[in-house]
Amino acid sequence: EAGVAQSPRYKIIEKRQSVAFWCNPISGHATLYWYQQILGQGPKLLIQFQNNGVVDDSQLPKDRFSAERLKGVDSTLKIQPAKLEDSAVYLCASSWDVGNTEAFFGQGTRLTVV
Amino acid sequence: GDSVTQMEGPVTLSEEAFLTINCTYTATGYPSLFWYVQYPGEGLQLLLKATKADDKGSNKGFEATYRKETTSFHLEKGSVQVSDSAVYFCASDGVNAGGTSYGKLTFGQGTILTVHP
Repeated sequence: EAGVAQSPRYKIIEKRQSVAFWCNPISGHATLYWYQQILGQGPKLLIQFQNNGVVDDSQLPKDRFSAERLKGVDSTLKIQPAKLEDSAVYLCASSWDVGNTEAFFGQGTRLTVV
Repeated sequence: GDSVTQMEGPVTLSEEAFLTINCTYTATGYPSLFWYVQYPGEGLQLLLKATKADDKGSNKGFEATYRKETTSFHLEKGSVQVSDSAVYFCASDGVNAGGTSYGKLTFGQGTILTVHP
C-alpha cells in the first residue's frame, strides 16, 4: 500500500514570497490533515478535511494560509506572503474517516523562509 | 483546550537500559492516546495506542498504559536498542461530549532518544 506522498521535500524562499505544498493521501482515506511542526515542537493541526469539506480550520492563519482539497483526494496548502516564522516542516496525514484517528503521515516538506 | 506534556529531553541511554518517557494530558472527555515515533529522515509512524482507561498499548517491545486517575500515558521499554534512537511524540485526540473522536491530534513537544552501543 502506497503511503502519503508529499512534495516538495525541501523549499527555501524569501520572506514575502509565496509557496505551495502538495499532498496525495492514501487511496480511499476520506480525512486529510495538514500539520505544522516548528523545530523543537510537536505538530500542530492547521486544517482538517473530510472528503472535500473543511472540518476544522480554527488554527489556520487565514490572512496568509489557504488550503484546498478539490475532488476529495489531493490537497494543496499555500502560504502567501511567507514570514520568517513560517519556517517549519509541513506534514500531511490521512485516515479512513474522521472517527478513526489512526493517521498515516507523509515525510513532510521542510520550509525555510529567509 | 486539550494539551499534552512530555518529559524534558533529550534522553541518552546505553543499549539494554530501561526506558521511560513520561506523558500527561489534559482533555475534555476520554480521548484516545497515542505514541508516535519519528526515525531520522522518516515521517511520523504510529507506535502504539490505547482507546480507554486501563488499556495497555504495546508494539516492538514498547508499552504504555492509559491511566485516567493520573491522566498519564507513560512509554516504557525494558531493554532499548541502538535502532530505537528516534524522536517520540505523545498525542491525544479530541472527543466530543458523546465520546466521538474529532480526529484531530494534539501532540506533546517530542522527546529525542539516543541509544549508544
